[in-house]
Amino acid sequence: DVKVTQSSRYLVKRTGEKVFLECVQDMDHENMFWYRQDPGLGLRLIYFSYDVKMKEKGDIPEGYSVSREKKERFSLILESASTNQTSMYLCASSSPGGGIETQYFGPGTRLLVL
Amino acid sequence: GQSLEQPSEVTAVEGAIVQINCTYQTSGFYGLSWYQQHDGGAPTFLSYNALDGLEETGRFSSFLSRSDSYGYLLLQELQMKDSASYFCAVPRAGNNRKLIWGLGTSLAVNP
Repeated sequence: DVKVTQSSRYLVKRTGEKVFLECVQDMDHENMFWYRQDPGLGLRLIYFSYDVKMKEKGDIPEGYSVSREKKERFSLILESASTNQTSMYLCASSSPGGGIETQYFGPGTRLLVL
Repeated sequence: GQSLEQPSEVTAVEGAIVQINCTYQTSGFYGLSWYQQHDGGAPTFLSYNALDGLEETGRFSSFLSRSDSYGYLLLQELQMKDSASYFCAVPRAGNNRKLIWGLGTSLAVNP
């Protein structure tokens, strides 16, 4: 069974703290994604990784960085958390094949920055 | 640029049929996907259309018309558990590993 896990379901941090969000997939997928989801704004792509150590900026990368040292693990880093980064963070993975890119999502991390 | 439009909210009653529309603007088309997301949950894949016509999977069907840049998700015999948000998505032009997402349609199924 396909599985994407995220390190925390809920997280509370203070402004200025460095925050690490971890995502692990067990499907040997090449592609991994970090999104944030806010009411009325849908899913917005923060970063995308298509291989180990390879990454691309998404639509809203400012204030974030990522790390992919192993194929199964993709980390999102908030260098200095700010209140406007309070959001739901969703990790996903996918693998090309058959003309369809199905994304499999983790349960999400709801981050509150105070 | 690329964009998708879908209604923000739809309401229906148990047992009814509901159609959620999605229109898209994209250069280079690789297919239209639909995802379901329950409150507090993760999006999960429902269906994918690369060619025109209707794809049926149980109570859910998805339709695509490439000439009209339009698709819809059809939910039949609605159940309370179908109350969720539904997102349409298309692969991005130039990098089809990434998706462009609609803003989602919140479906409320009432008894």
